[in-house]
Amino acid sequence: AQSVAQPEDQVNVAEGNPLTVKCTYSVSGNPYLFWYVQYPNRGLQFLLKYITGDNLVKGSYGFEAEFNKSQTSFHLKKPSALVSDSALYFCAVRVDSNYQLIWGAGTKLIIKP
Amino acid sequence: EPEVTQTPSHQVTQMGQEVILRCVPISNHLYFYWYRQILGQKVEFLVSFYNNEISEKSEIFDDQFSVERPDGSNFTLKIRSTKLEDSAMYFCASSVVPGAVDTQYFGPGTRLTVL
Repeated sequence: AQSVAQPEDQVNVAEGNPLTVKCTYSVSGNPYLFWYVQYPNRGLQFLLKYITGDNLVKGSYGFEAEFNKSQTSFHLKKPSALVSDSALYFCAVRVDSNYQLIWGAGTKLIIKP
Repeated sequence: EPEVTQTPSHQVTQMGQEVILRCVPISNHLYFYWYRQILGQKVEFLVSFYNNEISEKSEIFDDQFSVERPDGSNFTLKIRSTKLEDSAMYFCASSVVPGAVDTQYFGPGTRLTVL
């Protein structure tokens, strides 16, 4: 079965420090990977995606993610965290034949001043 | 920047009642989706819709659920007879084209509470 794992329920980072939010996946077929962010009382906002090509993709708000095929991972990163980055982050995957997104459980990111 | 909108933001209903959740996708998008997120759980796919037909649906999307595009702008999700376990946040999404590579853009969600 296709699945996405976000092993950390919560990540705490001091403002100005680098952050990483982890995501691993298990699919049959070529994966297309996405990160979304959910702020309180808001919908799911698209951050970035990996389709093909360069393993390092850059997205909104200074975020980037690295696709690692051998480790089946797609970790979200940012070099210098802001307090405003505090939110719930979701990793999701699609495969060739499907329309649906398969979601991880989400990771709560807390950036402390 | 164009956005997906959803109404109402919060719907409270009695068990057994019918509810209709409404969505206005981004205007040039052709593919539409519904997902739900039960409190504290993962986001789950319900259904995708294109050209007035369901293109894919999950096991959750049983006979109690239906979708419709009644006019050129709205996309609705109807739950015929709500159950307590239907309480969740329901998200609508749209994309320009089908296929795994395209980005789905989400609305703010409708919180459905079934009493």
